[in-house]
Amino acid sequence: NAGVTQTPKFQVLKTGQSMTLQCAQDMNHNSMYWYRQDPGMGLRLIYYSASEGTTDKGEVPNGYNVSRLNKREFSLRLESAAPSQTSVYFCASSEWGRGGFTDTQYFGPGTRLTVL
Amino acid sequence: DAKTTQPPSMDCAEGRAANLPCNHSTISGNEYVYWYRQIHSQGPQYIIHGLKNNETNEMASLIITEDRKSSTLILPHATLRDTAVYYCIVSGGITGGGNKLTFGTGTQLKVEL
Repeated sequence: NAGVTQTPKFQVLKTGQSMTLQCAQDMNHNSMYWYRQDPGMGLRLIYYSASEGTTDKGEVPNGYNVSRLNKREFSLRLESAAPSQTSVYFCASSEWGRGGFTDTQYFGPGTRLTVL
Repeated sequence: DAKTTQPPSMDCAEGRAANLPCNHSTISGNEYVYWYRQIHSQGPQYIIHGLKNNETNEMASLIITEDRKSSTLILPHATLRDTAVYYCIVSGGITGGGNKLTFGTGTQLKVEL
């Protein structure tokens, strides 16, 4: 099992350019997430998909869009990149635990994005 | 979700137990306590979680006070590879599936020889 994979690992964009970050998981998990982490900070949730076919905003959704392509894949799109979006982006997935709120998240290695 | 308070940093000698505290005084009845860690700039790694009973797995033990307002993560024999930022998170999940985790700034644990 590869777990959670993310592409690309690194990316440099100019202000106003667009790009899509890809995420895939091979654990047959229902839920997927996108987080960003700025230097010296904890992770902040951008968007999540509780199950295939659904997406919802997290704490910092402005400037981003997501697509849950299928159960395996969840992409994050920056339509017009801004320097404030320079960050490390992590994708995660989880399986809803039996009997209640016990699901744990598995994280990918991250995409390091710089917007000039 | 309830907020958590952790010390910004701690040191531990290799081979000794590392005890990382966390306060979560506003935790509600259906919220679990989760611990994750992040080594260098890698993706966070799940360690352990619990509701009200103490829990142990191959990585660590979690001690939750009887009133559930605080907890302690114990790494029984810390090694240099346990140097990481440790996050204590309280969450009750999302209706319909999934779990929104709120990461604070965590505790930077430094394990030294």
